[in-house]
Amino acid sequence: KAGVTQTPRYLIKTRGQQVTLSCSPISGHRSVSWYQQTPGQGLQFLFEYFSETQRNKGNFPGRFSGRQFSNSRSEMNVSTLELGDSALYLCASSFKQGARQFFGPGTRLTVL
Amino acid sequence: AQTVTQSQPEMSVQEAETVTLSCTYDTSESDYYLFWYKQPPSRQMILVIRQEAYKQQNATENRFSVNFQKAAKSFSLKISDSQLGDAAMYFCAYRAPDSGYALNFGKGTSLLVTP
Repeated sequence: KAGVTQTPRYLIKTRGQQVTLSCSPISGHRSVSWYQQTPGQGLQFLFEYFSETQRNKGNFPGRFSGRQFSNSRSEMNVSTLELGDSALYLCASSFKQGARQFFGPGTRLTVL
Repeated sequence: AQTVTQSQPEMSVQEAETVTLSCTYDTSESDYYLFWYKQPPSRQMILVIRQEAYKQQNATENRFSVNFQKAAKSFSLKISDSQLGDAAMYFCAYRAPDSGYALNFGKGTSLLVTP
């Protein structure tokens, strides 16, 4: 089976813009979680989607949003980008909520 | 809120030697899972080992083993016969039903392996 894929792998944006990141889970996996990794805050949970519904949300402002499609692919969107949003965004998929998570390679977002 | 603490920002080990990475956590839950993840320079998060809290036996995966002390809320990772490919960031993580199964990570330990 192919692993978790994330696109794009690298992204450069400027403050105030918005960005959409994509995650395709392992075939058969219906749960997708998103994490943000920064040098200062470390790895932090953003949200989890299962069967097109947000099941869990971390402590992030409303500028961060996501969705999941019927084929389990997920997107996350960040609006009105700030310099502090520069981070590695990791996506992880699992068969169901609570099952082992498999991580993608991440999307490196740089906000200038 | 659950917290995961890794008190060693950096560790160094010689090839073929053994190293232990420390992790403590804070929780009031009885049902939870603990993990060690490896993140090499490629940034791909790789699961090294996992432990269910209800299991008293320490998990083992080849050269990797844990020392799970539930009462002390300690979960250390031992790497035996260290190899150059073990060099990476290692993250301890906690997961429980009460937090919706979100992974709660420690700050990480950077492991350097010297020849």
